[in-house]
Amino acid sequence: DIQMTQSPSAVSGSVGDRITITCRASQHIRTWLAWYQLKPGRAPKLLINGASSLQSGVPSRFSGSGSGTDFTLTISSLQPEDFATYYCQQADSFIPTFGGGTKVEIE
Amino acid sequence: QVQLQQWGAGLMKPSETLSLTCVVDGGSLGTSWWFWIRQFPGKGLEYIGQMKSSGSSIYNPSLKSRVTLSIDTSKNHFSLRLNSVTAADTAVYYCARGDHSNTYYFDLWGQGTLVAVSS
Repeated sequence: DIQMTQSPSAVSGSVGDRITITCRASQHIRTWLAWYQLKPGRAPKLLINGASSLQSGVPSRFSGSGSGTDFTLTISSLQPEDFATYYCQQADSFIPTFGGGTKVEIE
Repeated sequence: QVQLQQWGAGLMKPSETLSLTCVVDGGSLGTSWWFWIRQFPGKGLEYIGQMKSSGSSIYNPSLKSRVTLSIDTSKNHFSLRLNSVTAADTAVYYCARGDHSNTYYFDLWGQGTLVAVSS
């Protein structure tokens, strides 16, 4: 299986801050990468697919980049509703795998 | 708008069979792939398996011996059965839909069902 490693595991920020989350794949996955937002008790939300394509309805403060093995998710200006846990996921193999998650907390 | 509504037993004893169902509310099963994914208490996420209305199914090899997926097109729902559960199966279980551009992008999720296995 392809291993996905996210860092940091948690990050603190204030409203308006810029934060970046990184994700590394154990082998090349081209741009077959998605980012999700999870909140307790809520249906997870697909934010980005294809490493950098914003899903319809997702605010433009979210952006993704990278290819091969190294990827980033950036939130350009944190909003109160962005405090959640974010996961990367590779879609390059028949067994999709996820990173360990990054919890974005209020500072 | 299309939603996934899921239900099933939340508290189980070791060796029992977990059973969850997910209905496509406001839409149809169509030609999409439908998935089960779980999130462990330590927050890691794991792919369980997938199925489509044609009857085709694919399972995570690590769970294949214990998992059965089924689909009922007349009721617009799909189901997961996981037998011989242990405490290691304690997790939030999600159903999800595969995106048309790439099956393994999950563009619609259920709200999750917490399943706790304890004696």
